[in-house]
Amino acid sequence: EADIYQTPRYLVIGTGKKITLECSQTMGHDKMYWYQQDPGMELHLIHYSYGVNSTEKGDLSSESTVSRIRTEHFPLTLESARPSHTSQYLCASSEWRGSGTEAFFGQGTRLTVV
Amino acid sequence: QKEVEQDPGPLSVPEGAIVSLNCTYSNSAFQYFMWYRQYSRKGPELLMYTYSSGNKEDGRFTAQVDKSSKYISLFIRDSQPSDSATYLCAMTETLWWQNFVFGPGTRLSVLP
Repeated sequence: EADIYQTPRYLVIGTGKKITLECSQTMGHDKMYWYQQDPGMELHLIHYSYGVNSTEKGDLSSESTVSRIRTEHFPLTLESARPSHTSQYLCASSEWRGSGTEAFFGQGTRLTVV
Repeated sequence: QKEVEQDPGPLSVPEGAIVSLNCTYSNSAFQYFMWYRQYSRKGPELLMYTYSSGNKEDGRFTAQVDKSSKYISLFIRDSQPSDSATYLCAMTETLWWQNFVFGPGTRLSVLP
């Protein structure tokens, strides 16, 4: 099982609240990612990082922000949650393995904004 | 048109059946192809990884890539109830993960 952890697993929060979704990995991977996944829909990349102090926006426009102060930690923050932010958020990290690359995913955070 | 299309499912099969899961894509530059399995309320986990056209086998799973047709498949032999999950295809031109494009997934149920 991959050593990448997300907390909380489930979160129900009111509109306008600030929230931070946590993601930590113990594999020493430089690259980390945040994806958004709605039921029955494909994963959409919202943020990624090449390493410490590196953050980039993905393909999906997002009102969230990320930080990468430590290799193992890649939190995602929503300054003011809205019902449109209701979704599942998946964190991943990746490594190069000679014959290819593999991304390891966390269990996900299911966010509901009411 | 979406960049990656996948059979919508859901798909229900009896235990022991051979399952075929398929994706089509429009970007002829894709070279690296992956299949992920996602159990309910879990993150995706890598099943198979292939580069360019051809077949790759791993136990009961066979991944097939046909770049000329822009078509990839995952075959599951002797399917088991534990194979019940959503299967996602993913592909990219390079090995930079930020460029991976995922299909929407096919939900598979294997009935005992």
